[in-house]
Amino acid sequence: SQTIHQWPATLVQPVGSPLSLECTVEGTSNPNLYWYRQAAGRGLQLLFYSVGIGQISSEVPQNLSASRPQDRQFILSSKKLLLSDSGFYLCAWDAGNTIYFGEGSWLTVV
Amino acid sequence: AQSVTQLGSHVSVSEGALVLLRCNYSSSVPPYLFWYVQYPNQGLQLLLKYTTGATLVKGINGFEAEFKKSETSFHLTKPSAHMSDAAEYFCAVRLTGANSKLTFGKGITLSVRP
Repeated sequence: SQTIHQWPATLVQPVGSPLSLECTVEGTSNPNLYWYRQAAGRGLQLLFYSVGIGQISSEVPQNLSASRPQDRQFILSSKKLLLSDSGFYLCAWDAGNTIYFGEGSWLTVV
Repeated sequence: AQSVTQLGSHVSVSEGALVLLRCNYSSSVPPYLFWYVQYPNQGLQLLLKYTTGATLVKGINGFEAEFKKSETSFHLTKPSAHMSDAAEYFCAVRLTGANSKLTFGKGITLSVRP
């Protein structure tokens, strides 16, 4: 069966520091992968999606970037974090007609 | 483009009472429809989905939803609420084409009173 993992689960970072959140999917090949952000009171926002290695589409211009170095690996990064980057980040994969989510990563920028 | 409307941000019911969470969508073509549940500090878990076929779909934990095309609705129900149902619930819509995006409603927080 397919599984999706995200890490770290919780992160507290100072303003201006870099960020790297990692997501891996097991049990499938060449999945569409997604990064969502859930900020307090703002619902779920699609940040990036990828249909294959090295193929990244950005939905919202911002301080973040994404990369897909391997088929089942999706990384969310920032060179310099802002306070507004705080939130709950969710990785997801596409199983055809249904999207499944990872456990999420809590990011607090202080 | 598709959109989802979940009216209200919070619903409170007594334990054992009916749960009804409303969801209306807008889409140019018949979409796929989903309900996800999020427990505190956790990711989103799929409750149920409608893709094709029977319009009444059953999900996990005793929840069900009915796709009503004429009303563009996909309301979530459960006959008897349990304390463990307290969570945030998201309705989502997706067009049927390849690589289509999943669009979420704003979510509804369900509280269950003892």
